Amino acid sequence: EAEVAQSPRYKITEKSQAVAFWCDPISGHATLYWYRQILGQGPELLVQFQDESVVDDSQLPKDRFSAERLKGVDSTLKIQPAELGDSAMYLCASSFGTANEKLFFGSGTQLSVL
Amino acid sequence: AQSVSQHNHHVILSEAASLELGCNYSYGGTVNLFWYVQYPGQHLQLLLKYFSGDPLVKGIKGFEAEFIKSKFSFNLRKPSVQWSDTAEYFCAVTANNAGNMLTFGGGTRLMVKP
Repeated sequence: EAEVAQSPRYKITEKSQAVAFWCDPISGHATLYWYRQILGQGPELLVQFQDESVVDDSQLPKDRFSAERLKGVDSTLKIQPAELGDSAMYLCASSFGTANEKLFFGSGTQLSVL
Repeated sequence: AQSVSQHNHHVILSEAASLELGCNYSYGGTVNLFWYVQYPGQHLQLLLKYFSGDPLVKGIKGFEAEFIKSKFSFNLRKPSVQWSDTAEYFCAVTANNAGNMLTFGGGTRLMVKP
């Protein structure tokens, strides 16, 4: 079965440094999601793309986080500068259509900010 | 505020015991309801979903969930659990008056003792 690819799998950085995460959704999936999951909590939506357009980024801390999906395929999530509270699992997911369809999740990037 | 609540954070059962995990939501309007599961070392994956029709929904691996509109609930059930059901279970909701963004509850970690 096709999978959502994410890299890196783990990232350790110092606070105030910049970090970037990459996601390659399942081929043909128009909708791409970035979620953040803090240990012991459920995933929280950061940003949702429909093709190359942002559908929702209301929970994205825009002073330090940015996300892009320039060609409507793969996507990059960036944090600059990283803060201690950003330590979490960053999950990428994709779906053929809306969030009412089945989301396929990647393995995530585990970020530790020291 | 709109939210999804899972009141049981940790559940421990013996094999063959019956399972019921609670999920309540606070959205108004039309909602679509989901249960996602994450087995150890695996990705989040869809277990079952409810859009309309019969409020008792059957999913994979013998799981079912019942939508009770008057109680704003969508509890997950399984008559007899197996050791392989050990996982973390997440309830999720989309609402047409909230942009149909998929919002997750905090999750319930289930451990089944052999």
